Amino acid sequence: TQLLEQSPQFLSIQEGENLTVYCNSSSVFSSLQWYRQEPGEGPVLLVTVVTGGEVKKLKRLTFQFGDARKDSSLHITAAQPGDTGLYLCAGAGSQGNLIFGKGTKLSVKP
Amino acid sequence: DSGVTQTPKHLITATGQRVTLRCSPRSGDLSVYWYQQSLDQGLQFLIQYYNGEERAKGNILERFSAQQFPDLHSELNLSSLELGDSALYFCASAVGGVQETQYFGPGTRLLVL
Repeated sequence: TQLLEQSPQFLSIQEGENLTVYCNSSSVFSSLQWYRQEPGEGPVLLVTVVTGGEVKKLKRLTFQFGDARKDSSLHITAAQPGDTGLYLCAGAGSQGNLIFGKGTKLSVKP
Repeated sequence: DSGVTQTPKHLITATGQRVTLRCSPRSGDLSVYWYQQSLDQGLQFLIQYYNGEERAKGNILERFSAQQFPDLHSELNLSSLELGDSALYFCASAVGGVQETQYFGPGTRLLVL
């Protein structure tokens, strides 16, 4: 069974701090995606990583895919209150569906 | 706005009842996926339809069923509802349905009392 574990489960930080969220699995994934979900809304895709060792940057967000394609991380620099939300990683399942981690709930206080 | 619409946004019902959730995919997308999101389980894949045919099944209970119509909209039917069925139900759509980007709707929040 393919599982994705995210850590930490909750994160509360002050504006301007840096943070890293982790997504780990014992299974190899052909690709991993990161989503952000705000209360009352559906997940919104941030990035897809497909190559082992790949690093993608999206403004203050840096995404990394592990060399063995079993893990990924999301690093946010100088967090802002607008970054508050639930961050989900998801891997492509064998049936074409997405397998989601349980998410990291981030709160950035001004 | 992802282009995926879901109705209703909120639904409150009683145990034992039956409800229908509706999803309209993005224009041009042939695949619809249904997911359930609860506090303890996170987002769980339920079922996928592609161009009117069931393509994949996940952790969907026998009390739940779905279909995709010729106009590509999809409905998820939940019957004999239990308290534990209270959750957010999302549909997502994709062009082809195999390891492609999925676009999520805003969800239906179901509360079973």
